Amino acid sequence: DTGVSQNPRHKITKRGQNVTFRCDPISEHNRLYWYRQTLGQGPEFLTYFQNEAQLEKSRLLSDRFSAERPKGSFSTLEIQRTEQGDSAMYLCASSFRERYEQYFGPGTRLTVT
Amino acid sequence: GENVEQHPSTLSVQEGDSAVIKCTYSDSASNYFPWYKQELGKRPQLIIDIRSNVGEKKDQRIAVTLNKTAKHFSLHITETQPEDSAVYFCAAVHSLEYGNKLVFGAGTILRVKS
Repeated sequence: DTGVSQNPRHKITKRGQNVTFRCDPISEHNRLYWYRQTLGQGPEFLTYFQNEAQLEKSRLLSDRFSAERPKGSFSTLEIQRTEQGDSAMYLCASSFRERYEQYFGPGTRLTVT
Repeated sequence: GENVEQHPSTLSVQEGDSAVIKCTYSDSASNYFPWYKQELGKRPQLIIDIRSNVGEKKDQRIAVTLNKTAKHFSLHITETQPEDSAVYFCAAVHSLEYGNKLVFGAGTILRVKS
């Protein structure tokens, strides 16, 4: 499968714990995006990388959230001290250079108990 | 910032009928409008898109129309089939904003009854 992949697909954690998700974009896609989707809503933009540089962060991304893309390939999204309100589907997407089309991964569903 | 509104929130049609989903956007500088289909438990899948210099685009049974003056765009599905049942999201991209981030509508649940 040459599409965007994400791991894990599901994560259940207790409030206060830290979690980390991984996204592997389509090969040669230099742009990588993180979105969050809650039930019954469209995805909301969280942050964006061009190669290894994080170029934009949404106000939704509190200081408990951090994202990295150290070598311009895969990316990780970490949530520290999780809260029940963090429960959502976390989606990753990638695009090639300045092209508009974004291709999504299957997402990581986070449940905070 | 950009705001995208989508309606209806749910749509039920009989197999073989047409379905139309409409979206409006707020920022006249937006210039790219994709549509995604998301089946239960699966990733959003890009099904069609349109740029602001085009008024209509068609791909087999699906088409998208864009009215820049009114700031709205629509998805048209003809000859609907049960496998068209899914959640459909529209989105807009503001070209002048760095990174081409997508701003999504809230989604439309389409049910095709056989």
